Amino acid sequence: EAGVAQSPRYKIIEKRQSVAFWCNPISGHATLYWYQQILGQGPKLLIQFQNNGVVDDSQLPKDRFSAERLKGVDSTLKIQPAKLEDSAVYLCASSATLAKNIQYFGAGTRLSVL
Amino acid sequence: AQKVTQAQTEISVVEKEDVTLDCVYETRDTTYYLFWYKQPPSGELVFLIRRNSFDEQNEISGRYSWNFQKSTSSFNFTITASQVVDSAVYFCALSELSSGGSYIPTFGRGTSLIVHP
Repeated sequence: EAGVAQSPRYKIIEKRQSVAFWCNPISGHATLYWYQQILGQGPKLLIQFQNNGVVDDSQLPKDRFSAERLKGVDSTLKIQPAKLEDSAVYLCASSATLAKNIQYFGAGTRLSVL
Repeated sequence: AQKVTQAQTEISVVEKEDVTLDCVYETRDTTYYLFWYKQPPSGELVFLIRRNSFDEQNEISGRYSWNFQKSTSSFNFTITASQVVDSAVYFCALSELSSGGSYIPTFGRGTSLIVHP
């Protein structure tokens, strides 16, 4: 069974530029999560989808961050414009359902904002 | 206030020593889930265990064991006879039911375990 796929693995941009990350969850998994992990800290949930609907986005900085999961499968997280403090690893995870909330994580995208 | 506190930032041990990673959580819910995940240097978090709030039975899986105590809001993780391959950052996480009916996860800051040969 294929795991959670994320791309790109690394991205370097300058502040005020825009960037997008892509995630393909495990096949059949209804719930998808995006996390921000700053160096030395635990993952912070940005947004949680159930199929193509948003379950929670209370910690998503909506003035610059957006995410979508249009067909209920893969998802895109965008930052526009990026700030220096957005430098982090962006992790995507999926779980079979909301109730079966064991999460399977991708390898992440490491973003550096210069 | 932190919902999940992992007070130990870094632990360094020598191979074959036993080591316990502490996790203290805070919630007002009666139904919730607790997790431990491992993040090796490759970066991909790996699920280790899940416990629901009604199951206080301790669990042993090979060299790993978990001690869940609701009375002290703790969910500690012990590695027996540690090995170099156990070197990683370990995260404790809490999932609480939101007003919208979904479980929202919160992670601790992690404990970095270094096992020396």
